[in-house]
Amino acid sequence: DAGVTQSPTHLIKTRGQQVTLRCSPKSGHDTVSWYQQALGQGPQFIFQYYEEEERQRGNFPDRFSGHQFPNYSSELNVNALLLGDSALYLCASSLAGQVPETQYFGPGTRLLVL
Amino acid sequence: SQQGEEDPQALSIQEGENATMNCSYKTSINNLQWYRQNSGRGLVHLILIRSNEREKHSGRLRVTLDTSKKSSSLLITASRAADTASYFCATGWASGGSYIPTFGRGTSLIVHP
Repeated sequence: DAGVTQSPTHLIKTRGQQVTLRCSPKSGHDTVSWYQQALGQGPQFIFQYYEEEERQRGNFPDRFSGHQFPNYSSELNVNALLLGDSALYLCASSLAGQVPETQYFGPGTRLLVL
Repeated sequence: SQQGEEDPQALSIQEGENATMNCSYKTSINNLQWYRQNSGRGLVHLILIRSNEREKHSGRLRVTLDTSKKSSSLLITASRAADTASYFCATGWASGGSYIPTFGRGTSLIVHP
């Protein structure tokens, strides 16, 4: 039973560029959440996707956008990268309606913006 | 802003000792969860305690929850070097069909062999 997978593992971009990160949820899960974790901080919620729609969004600018595909996998897109976007980006999957709803995290993608 | 705040920020102990980490939060919760993160990798779910529970055990882990004080503690007994990691509490509130855990800044635990 595959867990949550993310790609790529590491990425270096230049300020102003665009980046796409990918996530495949744990088998049987239908909900994907994305988090940004800066060095020394806890994960900050970006948004959550369910049934191919953004269901909840955290306090992140519109430069951060996402998508969920029919197979429940998801992408996180960040446009016009800033130096401050350098962080570990975590994807988490869960099963909607499960009580309690526990999120399972992938290994993350470490993004460095130069 | 982050809902839960862990204390201490860092903890250094010897193998075999117990490690206690605390978490305080601000608003009402459905449940509180503890996660572990090794070296900036993904978070691993450790244990969940519901708002109507006061104490929960899982192996060497013991979690308590005091909703009147809006606080929780995680105790790791007989620590091992492999327990070296960052530990996060996440407070959860389910709304509109979705559940979003909110994380604190974490406690960095170092267990010396």
